Amino acid sequence: AQSVTQLGSHVSVSEGALVLLRCNYSSSVPPYLFWYVQYPNQGLQLLLKYTTGATLVKGINGFEAEFKKSETSFHLTKPSAHMSDAAEYFCAVIPGNRDDKIIFGKGTRLHILP
Amino acid sequence: GAVVSQHPSRVICKSGTSVKIECRSLDFQATTMFWYRQFPKQSLMLMATSNEGSKATYEQGVEKDKFLINHASLTLSTLTVTSAHPEDSSFYICSPTLAGVPDTQYFGPGTRLTVL
Repeated sequence: AQSVTQLGSHVSVSEGALVLLRCNYSSSVPPYLFWYVQYPNQGLQLLLKYTTGATLVKGINGFEAEFKKSETSFHLTKPSAHMSDAAEYFCAVIPGNRDDKIIFGKGTRLHILP
Repeated sequence: GAVVSQHPSRVICKSGTSVKIECRSLDFQATTMFWYRQFPKQSLMLMATSNEGSKATYEQGVEKDKFLINHASLTLSTLTVTSAHPEDSSFYICSPTLAGVPDTQYFGPGTRLTVL
């Protein structure tokens, strides 16, 4: 079965420090990969996605992620955290069989320390 | 990205009543609609998938007679929670997409349902 694993349900970083949110997936063929952000009582906002092509994907708000097939990973990074980055982040995958059903990870709550 | 609206954004109802949630894709025609439920501090769980003009396909464990989905047009889908109970209190999110183009999946802002 396809799955998405986000390591760490809570991550705390200091303002200005590097943000690293980890995501690993299982898929028999290259999937589509996504990172979404959710602020309290709001829907999901797409940060970035990988479909094909360049494995380093740049998204909004200074975030980027790199698809590493050998590691089955799609970790999200941002060089310098800002207070406004505090939110819930979801990694998601559409498996390679393209049945269109997006599978979400359990989410990582990012806390920014002043 | 595409504009998706949900109405209402919040609803409080008494146990036993029914609640209808509307989802509209405002600037594209959604051939497929996904409905998700999100409990506090948890991830999104897919409830059902519907294609315009067809009956919805429900995920295992989701009662189709309790969660009625209508996808009558390419821009409107509704989810009706019938005979709501407190355990149905959740955040419901719709997600319209174009069939066969999976990376065009967009998400509505969500509806917070509280059943007293």
